[in-house]
Amino acid sequence: NAGVTQTPKFQVLKTGQSMTLQCAQDMNHEYMSWYRQDPGMGLRLIHYSVGAGITDQGEVPNGYNVSRSTTEDFPLRLLSAAPSQTSVYFCASSPPGYRNTIYFGEGSWLTVV
Amino acid sequence: DQQVKQNSPSLSVQEGRISILNCDYTNSMFDYFLWYKKYPAEGPTFLISISSIKDKNEDGRFTVFLNKSAKHLSLHIVPSQPGDSAVYFCAASPTNDYKLSFGAGTTVTVRA
Repeated sequence: NAGVTQTPKFQVLKTGQSMTLQCAQDMNHEYMSWYRQDPGMGLRLIHYSVGAGITDQGEVPNGYNVSRSTTEDFPLRLLSAAPSQTSVYFCASSPPGYRNTIYFGEGSWLTVV
Repeated sequence: DQQVKQNSPSLSVQEGRISILNCDYTNSMFDYFLWYKKYPAEGPTFLISISSIKDKNEDGRFTVFLNKSAKHLSLHIVPSQPGDSAVYFCAASPTNDYKLSFGAGTTVTVRA
């Protein structure tokens, strides 16, 4: 059972480049989300999805897009990378009705130069 | 503006003693509170939670206390062990909502 899988684990981008962080879960969870972790800020919600075809914005959505075409996958797209998007990104998933059962991936370290 | 605050960025405690981590929140709509533990280069893992209808929840060495009137919760680890050295995040969510608001984290170091 792989749980929540994120790729890539490390990435360096140049300012203005675009890229996609991949997230997949094999637990048939309906709820998926993306957080970013920055020093002194904790984890902040970027986007989330309550099921296939449904997405919504979190606390810090600007500069990011998401889609949810399947239950398993929830990719995060950076449209035009900026140095302010240098961060550690975590994908998470949860089954319906279990608010304490939120599983996080291992994280993706992104540096924008 | 952060709705969940952990004002102590770090805590050092001797092995065998009690670790007390504190967390304050501002949003009255929060009704579910969680603590996550995070090791370097890993994702956060769930540790313990408490609903607003309770004031205490215990799981082995970990106990969470909730004071709704003060909008304050704390995590007690007794006794502290070297494997407890990690970053601990306090998180909260509103009623019927999966979205979590996190504090900035407290780095706990357990000294042998």
